[in-house]
Parts: sequence; C-alpha cells; structure tokens
Amino acid sequence: DAGVIQSPRHEVTEMGQEVTLRCKPISGHNSLFWYRQTMMRGLELLIYFNNNVPIDDSGMPEDRFSAKMPNASFSTLKIQPSEPRDSAVYFCASSDRNSPAHTEAFFGQGTRLTVV
Amino acid sequence: GDSVTQMEGPVTLSEEAFLTINCTYTATGYPSLFWYVQYPGEGLQLLLKATKADDKGSNKGFEATYRKETTSFHLEKGSVQVSDSAVYFCALSDPGGGADGLTFGKGTHLIIQP
Repeated sequence: DAGVIQSPRHEVTEMGQEVTLRCKPISGHNSLFWYRQTMMRGLELLIYFNNNVPIDDSGMPEDRFSAKMPNASFSTLKIQPSEPRDSAVYFCASSDRNSPAHTEAFFGQGTRLTVV
Repeated sequence: GDSVTQMEGPVTLSEEAFLTINCTYTATGYPSLFWYVQYPGEGLQLLLKATKADDKGSNKGFEATYRKETTSFHLEKGSVQVSDSAVYFCALSDPGGGADGLTFGKGTHLIIQP
C-alpha cells in the first residue's frame, strides 16, 4: 500500500480564498483523522471519522472549516474563507479500528498551507 | 481530559551520547502510549508503542517503558547518531476514555552533532 496520500503537498493562497485539502487513507482503514500542526499549538486533532461518519468535530476551530468523507477512500478538509492564521501543516491519518493495533495511526506527509 | 507533557526542546547532544526524552501523561481510561518521529519535511512515523503497564516498546535502538505508577513513558537510546535528528512526539490513545484519535505532546526537537 502507498500509505496515506495527501494533496497538495504545498498550497499558497490569498486571504479570503477557498482552500481544499485532500486525503486518501490506507485501503481497508475505517478511521480517518485530520490534524493541524503549528509552532504555537503543536499537533491538534481537528476532526475524525469512523466508517465515513464524522464522530467528533470539536477540534474544528471555526465554521470556516468543514470536512467531508463521501466514501471510504477519500476525505476533504475545506477552509472558506481562508485567513493568514490558518497557515499551518495539515495532516491526515488513518487507522483500522478492527485490528488489535487499532490505536496505531498512519500519517500522510502533510499539506503545508500558507495564506497571505 | 487526556493530556501529554514532554520536555521542551531543542535538545542538543553529541553523537554517541545517551538520550532521554521525558514524557508524562494524564488519562481517564487505560491508554496505549506511543512515540512518533517526524523528520524534516515529512509526516509522523510510529517509532514504538506500548499498550499496557510495564510493556516495553523498542525500535531502532530506542526504548520506552510504560510506567503506570509514575504515568510516564520516557524515550531512551544508548548511543545516538546524527541521523536521529528529528522531532519526537509522545502520544496516547484512550478509546476507553470516550474518544478516538491520538493526543500528542508538543514535540521535542532533537539535534545530534557529529
């Protein structure tokens, strides 16, 4: 398996624009997580899905952020409108809740977002 | 809620030195504990894990023991190499506490000098 695949790797956008980040989890995994990494706050869990259903979005900072998982192999994180303070590295991770090692998460390489 | 505290960095050592990165946690359930490593420009990779008290996780010369009595999971390596330079994250997973997902410490930047 190619692992968790995120796109794009880098995104530079102007304030006010819509940004969409994409994630393809590992095939067969049924949990998907979106994290944000900044120098100030470290790694924060934004939202996670089990079997494509959003379970906990309490980490989503504002209504400008939304996430979807239309099927088991694809998820998006959207920011509309974007602001400079959204600049961060966004990671997607997946895991298999049915395996004995279900608590282990596999991470993508991240999307570095810069909002100017 | 759950939390992870790890020593602040950066930690700078010479090659072949002994490494300890401290990590303590608070959790409502019986968590699994992890160390993840992040190399520059990359995502996080699992380094080692322990799922119950007194378990020792080990990988690539790194070790950590799950100490329930001190709620700790300190990372150690006997002889570090330049290639070990990275950011190390201690994390826990506590599904019994009511939430999936990993709770991370803030990360410790390790710099190994030749």
